Amino acid sequence: DAGITQSPRHKVTETGTPVTLRCHQTENHRYMYWYRQDPGHGLRLIHYSYGVKDTDKGEVSDGYSVSRSKTEDFLLTLESATSSQTSVYFCAISDGLTDTQYFGPGTRLTVL
Amino acid sequence: GQQVMQIPQYQHVQEGEDFTTYCNSSTTLSNIQWYKQRPGGHPVFLIQLVKSGEVKKQKRLTFQFGEAKKNSSLHITATQTTDVGTYFCAGTRLKAAGNKLTFGGGTRVLVKP
Repeated sequence: DAGITQSPRHKVTETGTPVTLRCHQTENHRYMYWYRQDPGHGLRLIHYSYGVKDTDKGEVSDGYSVSRSKTEDFLLTLESATSSQTSVYFCAISDGLTDTQYFGPGTRLTVL
Repeated sequence: GQQVMQIPQYQHVQEGEDFTTYCNSSTTLSNIQWYKQRPGGHPVFLIQLVKSGEVKKQKRLTFQFGEAKKNSSLHITATQTTDVGTYFCAGTRLKAAGNKLTFGGGTRVLVKP
């Protein structure tokens, strides 16, 4: 497996609180992605980054923001968590030479 | 926007039998990839198909990319319990920015011993 870690791996929080998820890679890959996975919806792209400080929205970006200040770290922030954001969040990386993406272990987030 | 559909959503297979899962895109794809996710795990890359009509094999798994580059299939022969998991196809649109993939909803495979 590619060198990708996600933290925390599990989190329970309350509606209205801010939450930040971290993705860390040791592969020096250019592209990083945040997905959410929900039953019946597969993997849906939230935001992605194509370089340090270069990010763009995916198909389900409302309620989420991202930052990438270093190549190795990509942060996903829920400014004010809602119950609809209860999900499993996966980070993925790609070197850009192919379209292949390598996924982290995931973070299970529960918003009560 | 681009949509990628997979059928069936669930596949119950008797151990030793064959099955096929299908992937269809609303738009022409640059390439298609397949991923496998074991229960409780993360998606793992299996293979990428790039050429129209391409066929690739990995042991008991056969992957095809349609002539029009809008559909793909995964055929598994002699299913084993190790094949349990969800199989996702994911396509890249032509000239897609950011190497973005659009994932299908997945086919969840359950194997009956």
